[in-house]
Amino acid sequence: NAGVTQTPKFQVLKTGQSMTLQCAQDMNHNSMYWYRQDPGMGLRLIYYSASEGTTDKGEVPNGYNVSRLNKREFSLRLESAAPSQTSVYFCASSQTGGAYEQYFGPGTRLTVT
Amino acid sequence: SQKIEQNSEALNIQEGKTATLTCNYTNYSPAYLQWYRQDPGRGPVFLLLIRENEKEKRKERLKVTFDTTLKQSLFHITASQPADSATYLCARMNNNAGNMLTFGGGTRLMVKP
Repeated sequence: NAGVTQTPKFQVLKTGQSMTLQCAQDMNHNSMYWYRQDPGMGLRLIYYSASEGTTDKGEVPNGYNVSRLNKREFSLRLESAAPSQTSVYFCASSQTGGAYEQYFGPGTRLTVT
Repeated sequence: SQKIEQNSEALNIQEGKTATLTCNYTNYSPAYLQWYRQDPGRGPVFLLLIRENEKEKRKERLKVTFDTTLKQSLFHITASQPADSATYLCARMNNNAGNMLTFGGGTRLMVKP
């Protein structure tokens, strides 16, 4: 079991460029999440998907789009990157229907210059 | 909005002592509080969950308390070891919001030998 995997691990973008962060889980979880983590700010939820075919906005969705490709995969897209999107991005997954813990991936460190 | 606050200053303690970390929340009590550990360059890892109607939860050297009057959760590590050095994150979960978590900023714990 790989758990939650994310690609790439590191990325540098210029302002205005686009990219997609990939996330996959092999635990058969229904729910998946994208967070960003900035120094002193903790983890903030960008988007989540409670089940295949559904997505909802979290606390900081502006500038991002997501796709729940299938039960395993949940991608995050930056259409036009801005320096304010420099952050560490984490994907997570969990079971649904109760108070279940979330399993996190190793993160993607993104720098926008 | 529902906020979670943790002491942003690092906590330094001597090996063998008990570490106590604080998590305060605003507004109404969350249905659940979760605690995670995060090591540098890695994603958070789940440690413990405590429900609103539970006063205390234990797991090996870890203990979590939940005081709805004080709007506070305390996280204790007894007989601390240098390997316990990490950042500890508190997160609130509301049982009607798709298992979404709202995280505090985390407290860094340093255990000195």
